[in-house]
This record gives sequence, C-alpha cells and structure tokens, in this order.
Amino acid sequence: DQQVKQNSPSLSVQEGRISILNCDYTNSMFDYFLWYKKYPAEGPTFLISISSIKDKNEDGRFTVFLNKSAKHLSLHIVPSQPGDSAVYFCAAIIYSSNTGKLIFGQGTTLQVKP
Amino acid sequence: DTGVSQNPRHKITKRGQNVTFRCDPISEHNRLYWYRQTLGQGPEFLTYFQNEAQLEKSRLLSDRFSAERPKGSFSTLEIQRTEQGDSAMYLCASSSTGVQPQHFGDGTRLSIL
Repeated sequence: DQQVKQNSPSLSVQEGRISILNCDYTNSMFDYFLWYKKYPAEGPTFLISISSIKDKNEDGRFTVFLNKSAKHLSLHIVPSQPGDSAVYFCAAIIYSSNTGKLIFGQGTTLQVKP
Repeated sequence: DTGVSQNPRHKITKRGQNVTFRCDPISEHNRLYWYRQTLGQGPEFLTYFQNEAQLEKSRLLSDRFSAERPKGSFSTLEIQRTEQGDSAMYLCASSSTGVQPQHFGDGTRLSIL
C-alpha cells in the first residue's frame, strides 16, 4: 500500500530552467508534507515543508504547491543549478495523531545539466 | 548544531551475527527516529522515541530488532541473528516536539555476507 507516490523515477533539466517534481498521495488524513534532498552517501536533507491548510510555501528558489482536492503536491526549483542534482523525496505525516512516522515516496532523481 | 551522528558508517557481517548501531541526535532534540532504506526506495519508518520512551514501532521491526534510548540522549538499534534481507541503509533522525521537520544522519550501511 504505497500511500505516497513519486511516479517519475528521473528528471533532466537544463541549468537555469525550472525543475518540477511531482508527488501524489492517497491518505486524506495527512496534514503535513515535506521535501528532502539526498546526495549519494549522505542522509536526506530537509528542504521545505507545507501544512495541509496552505496551498503554497516558498523558500528562496524552492516552492512547494499543494492541491488537496487532487491529493497532489509539487516542488518547483527556479532557477535550477547543477548542484541541485540529487534524489528528491516527498514525505507525508499525520501530525495530529501524534505519530512520528514519515511516509516517503520512492524518490525522483534530478539531473541538472550545465 | 553538529547534526545527527551515526556510527559506524558501514558494517559488514556474516549472516547470523548480531550487530548494533549508534545514533547521536542533535542535542536539543527530544525526539529520535529510526528508518531503513533499501535501493530504489524511500526510507521506511521503524520506530521513534520521545525522550527515553519508545512511543511507536513499525511492523517492520521484527522480534530480532530492538531499539533503546536509555537516557533520552543517544540511541542504539540492535539486530540479532542477521539475515540477508537485513542488508540496507539504517537512518536515524531527530526533531523537536511539535510540527518540526526530522533531520537525518548519514546512515549506517549494513551488508550481510
């Protein structure tokens, strides 16, 4: 039962262009969503998050959009830089149930070409 | 803020042996989490502690797995009688209480021969 899905295993974009990474979820009880970036041989690094009561959150070059009716979120990176090349995971949690369990998607490998 | 520290970074052992991993969280964080990640997958939740209390355990945490956080600071994850399927990256994370992101260490990679 994959509650969080990232259907694109990989994405390649040109430096300076926009990268859009997508994530779908099935559990309407999720109330908080997060994006992590992972380089090889390192642990996931927190990037940006969004509460379910919002539809957009922005932090520098990173913006996360949440569409609750479609159970879909996306991460926009503008402009993309070669250093953004990494695996990106979306994750979701039901904070209101006092769980500690983040549920992750399978990840999308982003390659930004110079 | 020195980040979450995990030791060892790599562990190679024979099937049937016991292994123990250590995690030192960010010092002011009272919540600590363990995850397991296999190739091509996202991390899967194993268990979490608030201070020294283990509040939640995944069904993935079989009887061969045990985690402790004796003084509410560092934590250990032990796997007894290791099996081939235990080969994975074991990740530790920590956070403050409330709606706060979890911050991950670099993991311990376990290889079972």
